[in-house]
Amino acid sequence: GQNIDQPTEMTATEGAIVQINCTYQTSGFNGLFWYQQHAGEAPTFLSYNVLDGLEEKGRFSSFLSRSKGYSYLLLKELQMKDSASYLCAALSLYSGAGSYQLTFGKGTKLSVIP
Amino acid sequence: DVKVTQSSRYLVKRTGEKVFLECVQDMDHENMFWYRQDPGLGLRLIYFSYDVKMKEKGDIPEGYSVSREKKERFSLILESASTNQTSMYLCASREKGGEQYFGPGTRLTVT
Repeated sequence: GQNIDQPTEMTATEGAIVQINCTYQTSGFNGLFWYQQHAGEAPTFLSYNVLDGLEEKGRFSSFLSRSKGYSYLLLKELQMKDSASYLCAALSLYSGAGSYQLTFGKGTKLSVIP
Repeated sequence: DVKVTQSSRYLVKRTGEKVFLECVQDMDHENMFWYRQDPGLGLRLIYFSYDVKMKEKGDIPEGYSVSREKKERFSLILESASTNQTSMYLCASREKGGEQYFGPGTRLTVT
């Protein structure tokens, strides 16, 4: 089966750095997505890691270790607008149709405080 | 600019009613998905489709059905709505292993 674990809630201070961890156990793993979701809105894409290592995109970076089944999202220079839920999602090959399936974690609610 | 649209942002229905939720994407994606999202449970996959007229059950298909008659449109049907189907419903589309795009969501309340 598929299993994605991430912390339920985190709190961090404006201007600081926060790391949100995600562990996964999936068969046919093909990559790891991170999405941001503000309250009442749809998730929006942040990053996608296929290979091991760190991908940097402005204030946001994402890391993947396929051998450890582990990823993290790093947010630097936190701003109040970064308060949102962050969803980790594992892409895996769905053998039944030769297609891909994205399995989501339950999300980490990040609160940024002044 | 990529776009996934859903027919309603808010919907209120009565128990036992048949409910149709429509989703349209303009990116010519093969794969389309319906999720529901509930507090503490995260996003749960109801059904997905990888081609026209093809459908596959997700994690929680009970009480739902789907229809994909055209590539751009994927409909979710609640045959007989129940109060435990009150939720936020999110449609998404994706091209094979690429980024998944979400619609704005439909908040359905069943009374």
